[in-house]
Amino acid sequence: AGVTQTPRYLIKTRGQQVTLRCSSQSGHNTVSWYQQALGQGPQFIFQYYREEENGRGNFPPRFSGLQFPNYSSELNVNALELDDSALYLCASSPGQGNTGELFFGEGSRLTVL
Amino acid sequence: SQQGEEDPQALSIQEGENATMNCSYKTSINNLQWYRQNSGRGLVHLILIRSNEREKHSGRLRVTLDTSKKSSSLLITASRAADTASYFCATDRPPGGNNRLAFGKGNQVVVIP
Repeated sequence: AGVTQTPRYLIKTRGQQVTLRCSSQSGHNTVSWYQQALGQGPQFIFQYYREEENGRGNFPPRFSGLQFPNYSSELNVNALELDDSALYLCASSPGQGNTGELFFGEGSRLTVL
Repeated sequence: SQQGEEDPQALSIQEGENATMNCSYKTSINNLQWYRQNSGRGLVHLILIRSNEREKHSGRLRVTLDTSKKSSSLLITASRAADTASYFCATDRPPGGNNRLAFGKGNQVVVIP
């Protein structure tokens, strides 16, 4: 099975909190999260490898994450701001035998009002 | 920081024509990848070229890499309506293998049947 993300669409208001979920592709132990604003390329948020954060982009601490023993992952965003409206993409990759490519889910479209 | 940066082109071509798009980056890389994204969906990996390679082919795709100019190009030959999408380049910095990619802003390609 490929990478699956839930929910696909959601609407929140400023100040609220949101949790996005991702199931990695079978056999992949590394999950990365990206934020893609409308008309822009994806921006790296952070990566998890074997349940530990393994690199972080230029995002504030209110963006946090988790990875579970089955390698699925969550992205949490607190105190939502209007600029957090974006497509949030999860991508998985194998830790070993890594060919370099990422396998993306369909994304979660977050709208903050 | 964002590595890959495409020329912000919106290409509109007839079916059967070739489509060429470019990407430049700022620092040294381990590899450069191209991804396709259909409107609002997840990204699909197309091709990866390593820093010691100059040209690579995959089906109708041809990618070149010029590390001296820090640039890459993607050529799609004999385009089809199904090639209509946004195309992103992404770079993976040395030492590589961590899959924390930096994406460009994308090129929007419309293939007219």
